[in-house]
Amino acid sequence: GAGVSQSPRYKVAKRGQDVALRCDPISGHVSLFWYQQALGQGPEFLTYFQNEAQLDKSGLPSDRFFAERPEGSVSTLKIQRTQQEDSAVYLCASSSAWTSGDTGELFFGEGSRLTVL
Amino acid sequence: KQEVTQIPAALSVPEGENLVLNCSFTDSAIYNLQWFRQDPGKGLTSLLLIQSSQREQTSGRLNASLDKSSGRSTLYIAASQPGDSATYLCAVKARSRYGNKLVFGAGTILRVKS
Repeated sequence: GAGVSQSPRYKVAKRGQDVALRCDPISGHVSLFWYQQALGQGPEFLTYFQNEAQLDKSGLPSDRFFAERPEGSVSTLKIQRTQQEDSAVYLCASSSAWTSGDTGELFFGEGSRLTVL
Repeated sequence: KQEVTQIPAALSVPEGENLVLNCSFTDSAIYNLQWFRQDPGKGLTSLLLIQSSQREQTSGRLNASLDKSSGRSTLYIAASQPGDSATYLCAVKARSRYGNKLVFGAGTILRVKS
């Protein structure tokens, strides 16, 4: 596609519900990132994929957060037993040349805004 | 651990004024620095990317500089317009054990008054 696509754009969940957020990266982009952005803050790193391999998940805040990219394209971020502090915008980004040091620009989607009541 | 700080947190200026946004980072071992714009409820739009070997980049009314040794970058906006009102985010591509990541500042909220 022309850009990074995320769905749903808005999600309201009751505390304790499970949610799944989808990211369609730019076609051919091998690197994919998930970021969490709380209100009034900058994005915080969650996890990173190179093709289907999850190379870094050090930013996931708890074991309730799980991300996958089984075929190296579409990625899903799943949050189990949601809590109020999970309310944030979840941003996905992709890149074609991220590992090449100096090169590699990240392109971001519009995000999925999660509100946990 | 790489940390990025942006000053000021918010800025309000009259239309037509030139302005400077500041970004500082704690670890100079970066690959590049990127400035983004974020409109309310929207994702991030890349404005300028400066490679670690470069000193500045220009696009239209925007000019970004990078002083890697001192850990600083500035974004200069000339002849500001109400349409420039947005949050501006600075991010560095930092080396990490598993494949590098963008580390963001908290942003500067800019309001240009007509």
